[in-house]
Amino acid sequence: EVQLVQSGGGLVQPGGSLRLSCTVSGFRFSSYWMLWVRQVPGKGLVWVSRISSDGSGTYYADSVKGRFTVSRDNAKNTLFLQMNSLRVEDTAVYYCARDYSSGGDFWGQGTQVTVSS
Amino acid sequence: QSALTQPPSASGSPGQSVTISCTGTGNDVGGYNYVSWYQQHPGKTPKLMIYEVTKRPSGVPDRFSASKSGNTASLTVSGLQAEDEADYHCSSYAAGNGVIFGGGTKLTVL
Repeated sequence: EVQLVQSGGGLVQPGGSLRLSCTVSGFRFSSYWMLWVRQVPGKGLVWVSRISSDGSGTYYADSVKGRFTVSRDNAKNTLFLQMNSLRVEDTAVYYCARDYSSGGDFWGQGTQVTVSS
Repeated sequence: QSALTQPPSASGSPGQSVTISCTGTGNDVGGYNYVSWYQQHPGKTPKLMIYEVTKRPSGVPDRFSASKSGNTASLTVSGLQAEDEADYHCSSYAAGNGVIFGGGTKLTVL
């Protein structure tokens, strides 16, 4: 059974940092690109970042470029999103997803990130 | 990186068909056959319903179908059922190895 279990997130002040993790099981992690997507409750999904299967290629939405860093540890089946210089507008539920043809076919449970003073 | 354009709402009666559109540009929807559609019930994670414009993952009912013409992709739900009431999101590959989503459409079954 494919599972993506997320951890990290929480409440942070503007300008602060957080690191999200997504540990997967049930498939060969090292063979798949992965996605980070966020959603403000009641709003649409917004793409945040994408990483190639070996980690050599990383891609970001303009809104997070230079502040967020995606990485992965294929030996530990874990995807990361390091979020620095957080802004109030980064407040959202963050999802990791397995990238399948540039869409997400399996999703993590989501983790709330709240940026507030 | 503006979002793909979806109507905010759509509705239909049980048994009817409803179509939801998703409009982008030649740099995303129109330029590539990598459009996906997701169903999301309140408080739940998105579920992939369509990938690569027209393909259904295993387990998705054939009442769900999709197509693309130019820069606009469409999802059609036939034989509407109460459980189809949900938010529907489209996404597309975007030039430069990005991904772009639509704003979402709330489907109401009357």
